[in-house]
Amino acid sequence: AQSVTQLDSHVSVSEGTPVLLRCNYSSSYSPSLFWYVQHPNKGLQLLLKYTSAATLVKGINGFEAEFKKSETSFHLTKPSAHMSDAAEYFCVVTEYSSASKIIFGSGTRLSIRP
Amino acid sequence: DGGITQSPKYLFRKEGQNVTLSCEQNLNHDAMYWYRQDPGQGLRLIYYSQIVNDFQKGDIAEGYSVSREKKESFPLTVTSAQKNPTAFYLCASTTGQGITGELFFGEGSRLTVL
Repeated sequence: AQSVTQLDSHVSVSEGTPVLLRCNYSSSYSPSLFWYVQHPNKGLQLLLKYTSAATLVKGINGFEAEFKKSETSFHLTKPSAHMSDAAEYFCVVTEYSSASKIIFGSGTRLSIRP
Repeated sequence: DGGITQSPKYLFRKEGQNVTLSCEQNLNHDAMYWYRQDPGQGLRLIYYSQIVNDFQKGDIAEGYSVSREKKESFPLTVTSAQKNPTAFYLCASTTGQGITGELFFGEGSRLTVL
């Protein structure tokens, strides 16, 4: 069975410092993994996705994530935080078994200190 | 531009009333989803539909109903049987091969029960 765990419910960093949002997953098959961002009172927007191609995935707004099968992780990083990065981030895992098997993590709220 | 339109953005309801949230997409996507989001929580699946005239219950379908009479439209009715309907509701869609594809989200509808 699939599952996804976002290890931090809240992360706070200073502007200009690196960002690390952690995500671990469990999957019986070859998973597809996604990171989405949600700004307050908005829908979710795709940041990046991994679908069995390159393990280092680059996304929008300078974010990237590395798929590590041995560690079952898909952590999201950004070298230098910007104030506009303050939002909620969701890690998502899917399996190619049923259209309903889209599993969302509980989310990580990212705060940026000036 | 293609996308998903949810309406209304804000809705107030008295206890005992049914309300219907609209979701329309012009992306030609086969699959559509309704999620509920509560503060500090991830997304929970209410209903999903992979094809016209067919839909399936998600994890929290009780007190909700849907229809899928047209490919573009997937309205959600929150019935009086839903005990705690105050929440943020998100509609999403994806292609038929949705497992490896991106979910596209609407801007959400915030329902408040007075």
